[in-house]
Amino acid sequence: AQKVTQAQTEISVVEKEDVTLDCVYETRDTTYYLFWYKQPPSGELVFLIRRNSFDEQNEISGRYSWNFQKSTSSFNFTITASQVVDSAVYFCALSEGSGGGADGLTFGKGTHLIIQP
Amino acid sequence: ETGVTQSPTHLIKTRGQQVTLRCSSQSGHNTVSWYQQALGQGPQFIFQYYREEENGRGNFPPRFSGLQFPNYSSELNVNALELDDSALYLCASSQGQGAFDEQYFGPGTRLTVT
Repeated sequence: AQKVTQAQTEISVVEKEDVTLDCVYETRDTTYYLFWYKQPPSGELVFLIRRNSFDEQNEISGRYSWNFQKSTSSFNFTITASQVVDSAVYFCALSEGSGGGADGLTFGKGTHLIIQP
Repeated sequence: ETGVTQSPTHLIKTRGQQVTLRCSSQSGHNTVSWYQQALGQGPQFIFQYYREEENGRGNFPPRFSGLQFPNYSSELNVNALELDDSALYLCASSQGQGAFDEQYFGPGTRLTVT
């Protein structure tokens, strides 16, 4: 069965520091999708990125970057020069290909990121 | 473009009662999924509807049921409420048929069972 592990329950850094959120996943499928979502205090999950299992290229979007490594089953998320507005709970999620997408997303337990001014 | 909306925002029910939560999908989206998020946990997949039919279900008992309407709005019904049903219930819509696509989440309904 699929599983997503986010070992860091809470991270606290000072503004402008770089921070990396770890995500390790387990799946038997060769086709799968990985996601990161941000959940601010308002509760609404905000989509950040989707990556399929055949695309191991790292991606950068502004201050955000993602490192996907199939060899270690990891999909880590780095925020460069963090800002107070980045404070939120961040979730890594997995969708397996064998279910045709109908099995929903499997989420990790989330990492609560606190950026102190 | 209207985002995903959910109603009500908050709800308090008594154990054994029944509850209906509502979701209005983003325009043009024909797939809706429901998730349960307990405090301090990640969301857990309840079920998914595509074009008015349930096409995927997570590990939830039959007392969790749903509907999707022709306008792609959706309901989540929970019968015989238990204390452990207290959670944030999130609705998500997408254009495609499944969880491969970017899903747009609503703000959730906070359900408290006493």
